[in-house]
Amino acid sequence: GQSLEQPSEVTAVEGAIVQINCTYQTSGFYGLSWYQQHDGGAPTFLSYNALDGLEETGRFSSFLSRSDSYGYLLLQELQMKDSASYFCAVKRSNDYKLSFGAGTTVTVRA
Amino acid sequence: DTAVSQTPKYLVTQMGNDKSIKCEQNLGHDTMYWYKQDSKKFLKIMFSYNNKELIINETVPNRFSPKSPDKAHLNLHINSLELGDSAVYFCASSQTPITGIGSGYTFGSGTRLTVV
Repeated sequence: GQSLEQPSEVTAVEGAIVQINCTYQTSGFYGLSWYQQHDGGAPTFLSYNALDGLEETGRFSSFLSRSDSYGYLLLQELQMKDSASYFCAVKRSNDYKLSFGAGTTVTVRA
Repeated sequence: DTAVSQTPKYLVTQMGNDKSIKCEQNLGHDTMYWYKQDSKKFLKIMFSYNNKELIINETVPNRFSPKSPDKAHLNLHINSLELGDSAVYFCASSQTPITGIGSGYTFGSGTRLTVV
């Protein structure tokens, strides 16, 4: 089987930095993805890591350590519009599925 | 132009009814998916088709049946609806099952199904 763990909620103020951790247990790990979902909206793709290291896309960065079965999403210079749920998701090499974690609700306060 | 469109957006129906949700993508992708999101926001894969071939068939009640008439369309038919089927159902697509991991899935806006 497999499991994904991420915090359920994070609250921060505008301009702050938030790190959302994701630890996974799965056989045949292939890669880790991150998605953002606003209330009432569709999940949207943010980033993907297959190799160890940091991927930066504007204010958002994602990190992966395969040896630690761990990744994180870093949200910098938080804005009110970043209030949303953030999901990590893993793909195994031996099947086609993308399996999502339970999501982290980020609330940005003024 | 909507990349992945689902209809209807809202569906309220009585227990025991049969209903369908339709999905269409105009991205030229080969692969389409159905995900179910429950009230706790947990997203769970149900089915996937790659170029009209079923490639993912999770353990869901056989009251749920997907149909892919062509690679741009993936419909979901649900028989004998139950209260526990109430959820948001998302359709998604990707170029292929593998490249979609790196380039991301494109999700539709969801269908909120309420069974009363």
